[in-house]
Amino acid sequence: AQSVSQHNHHVILSEAASLELGCNYSYGGTVNLFWYVQYPGQHLQLLLKYFSGDPLVKGIKGFEAEFIKSKFSFNLRKPSVQWSDTAEYFCAVRGGYALNFGKGTSLLVTP
Amino acid sequence: DVKVTQSSRYLVKRTGEKVFLECVQDMDHENMFWYRQDPGLGLRLIYFSYDVKMKEKGDIPEGYSVSREKKERFSLILESASTNQTSMYLCASSLSREGRGYTFGSGTRLTVV
Repeated sequence: AQSVSQHNHHVILSEAASLELGCNYSYGGTVNLFWYVQYPGQHLQLLLKYFSGDPLVKGIKGFEAEFIKSKFSFNLRKPSVQWSDTAEYFCAVRGGYALNFGKGTSLLVTP
Repeated sequence: DVKVTQSSRYLVKRTGEKVFLECVQDMDHENMFWYRQDPGLGLRLIYFSYDVKMKEKGDIPEGYSVSREKKERFSLILESASTNQTSMYLCASSLSREGRGYTFGSGTRLTVV
């Protein structure tokens, strides 16, 4: 089954710092990849997704991710984080009907 | 605004009770999913359904069952609740077979005592 692994479980950054969260997937064929975010007390929301085409995907709130097939990676980036980016971030890969999620990365942005 | 609604935000049940978690979507989505979310374990798929009366086991179906009698409603059933089923339960739906663009509900925090 397709799976994802997220490298960082907890990340602490100061405001204006750059962010990169790692995500690697296991499957070598055609993949559909996603990043979701869960703000404190809120439901999961889609940040961005990759199906095909341009490997640099732009999402909401200034986030982007780059699909690198040779590295089986789909890392999430943001040039300058804000306090409001404090949340849990999940990478996911589609396996059949369902999405398989990573264990998540908890991001804390300090003022 | 499209929605996935979970009937309860918080539930407290006793060990051995039969527990029903309800999820309703108003988007005419074919696919519906139940996940549980635990700290450090991420989201794990319990069951999903791609059509009315159809269901498929996910990664951790033991101790759970599901029901989908109508397209908009997908119920998760804990046949005999146990303390290790204390968790956050998330329902989601999606439009197509490819699982594009899940919409999640707000979750049900279940505590089994």
